[in-house]
Amino acid sequence: EIVMTQSPATLSVSPGERATLSCRASQSVSSNLAWYQQKPGQAPRLLIYGASTRATGIPARFSGSGSGTEFTLTISSLQSEDFAVYYCHQYNNWPPWTFGQGTKVEIK
Amino acid sequence: EVQLVQSGAEVKKPGESLRISCKGSGYSFTSYWINWVRQMPGKGLEWMGRIDPSDSYINYSPSFQGHVTISADKSISTAYLQWSSLKASDTAMYYCARAPRGDGYNYFDYWGQGTLVTVSS
Repeated sequence: EIVMTQSPATLSVSPGERATLSCRASQSVSSNLAWYQQKPGQAPRLLIYGASTRATGIPARFSGSGSGTEFTLTISSLQSEDFAVYYCHQYNNWPPWTFGQGTKVEIK
Repeated sequence: EVQLVQSGAEVKKPGESLRISCKGSGYSFTSYWINWVRQMPGKGLEWMGRIDPSDSYINYSPSFQGHVTISADKSISTAYLQWSSLKASDTAMYYCARAPRGDGYNYFDYWGQGTLVTVSS
């Protein structure tokens, strides 16, 4: 099973600042990596797939990069609606598909 | 508009059986996988398994194999997750999520709203 490790667990950021979230895979997942945003009481929402492709309707301030074992989600200028938990997800090697444990982005 | 609509919250006792549902609309139900994802209280996301509604081919996570059963009825565009004997540790939110077909496309592009299952004596 591929283990996905996200860092940091919590990121404190001021509105308007840049946020950088990391996700590391225990072995290569090529570019088969997605990022999701989950707000309290809501289902997760797809942000990025293929490591760097924004999903439909996702603002350009969200960007993804990386391949192999190291991936990054960058939010260029945090808006109030971006404070949430973010999960990475590998869909290259199964079973099972696996998620990171999440990074909570909170208001500083 | 693509939608996955899940059945409502359930409160059950240990040992009881349960089936929850996920109804797809706004797309060709048989052209995408339906996945099930568990989220225990205050925790992260865990993939449980998936079904191809076109032929009911199923893959389970080893962690959930034998504990749950996934099925689908393509005639009514609905997938199911069921338990034969619930445990308190099954208390969680359960999400269904759609995934495109094909290698390299198994990300979850649409999610249901979730079904909260509470198991308590």
